[in-house]
Amino acid sequence: SQTIHQWPATLVQPVGSPLSLECTVEGTSNPNLYWYRQAAGRGLQLLFYSVGIGQISSEVPQNLSASRPQDRQFILSSKKLLLSDSGFYLCAWTGSNTDTQYFGPGTRLTVL
Amino acid sequence: AQSVSQHNHHVILSEAASLELGCNYSYGGTVNLFWYVQYPGQHLQLLLKYFSGDPLVKGIKGFEAEFIKSKFSFNLRKPSVQWSDTAEYFCAVTRGSQGNLIFGKGTKLSVKP
Repeated sequence: SQTIHQWPATLVQPVGSPLSLECTVEGTSNPNLYWYRQAAGRGLQLLFYSVGIGQISSEVPQNLSASRPQDRQFILSSKKLLLSDSGFYLCAWTGSNTDTQYFGPGTRLTVL
Repeated sequence: AQSVSQHNHHVILSEAASLELGCNYSYGGTVNLFWYVQYPGQHLQLLLKYFSGDPLVKGIKGFEAEFIKSKFSFNLRKPSVQWSDTAEYFCAVTRGSQGNLIFGKGTKLSVKP
C-alpha cells in the first residue's frame, strides 16, 4: 500500500534562517505531488505542485521554493525564513489517473 | 477566480444532534468535489468524494453529502453526531481533469458529550 512521510514533524527556526522540509511517497510511481500550507482560519493554500521529476508549478509567489530531485521525493525550501512563513505544511500525492489526494502527517513550522 | 466557501467557521452540537455543513463553489464547469476531515492530532483524510453519477454520496462513519449542481453546493450531513466526530472539516474542489484541489477555509465541529 502507499504511504507518505514528512519530516521533520515540528520545527522551530529563527527569522532569516534557511528551511528544508522533505516529503517522500512509498508504494507508487510517478505520483503528482503537492505542498500546502494550513493557517488557522484560512484553510489550506496550495503552494506548489509537481507532475514529474524537475517539474514544479508555483501557485502563490512567496518566499518559498520547491524541488523534486527524485520521482517520489518533494522538498520545500527557503533561503531566508520570514515570520509569516509559520504554519502547518502538508504534502499530498495523487496517482496520475485519480483526483483524490492523500495527505501526509504535516510539519508544524514556527518562525521566531 | 475559483473559490470554495464554507459557511460556518465553528459549529457546536450536542451528541445525537443532526449535522449539516454548508459548502458552495464558484466554478461553473465540470468539478470533482471532496470532503476531508482532520481529527485532532491526526492526518487530513478523505471523508467522501463525488466525481459523477448519483449526487447523494455516502462516506465513512455515517457521513453523506449531496451535490446540487443548480446551487453549486455540496453540503455534508450526518443524522446523529457523536463526540468522536469532533474535528475540522474541509470542503474541496478540483476542476475537471486537473488535480489541484481548492479548499474552503474549514469548519470546526465540536460535539459535546
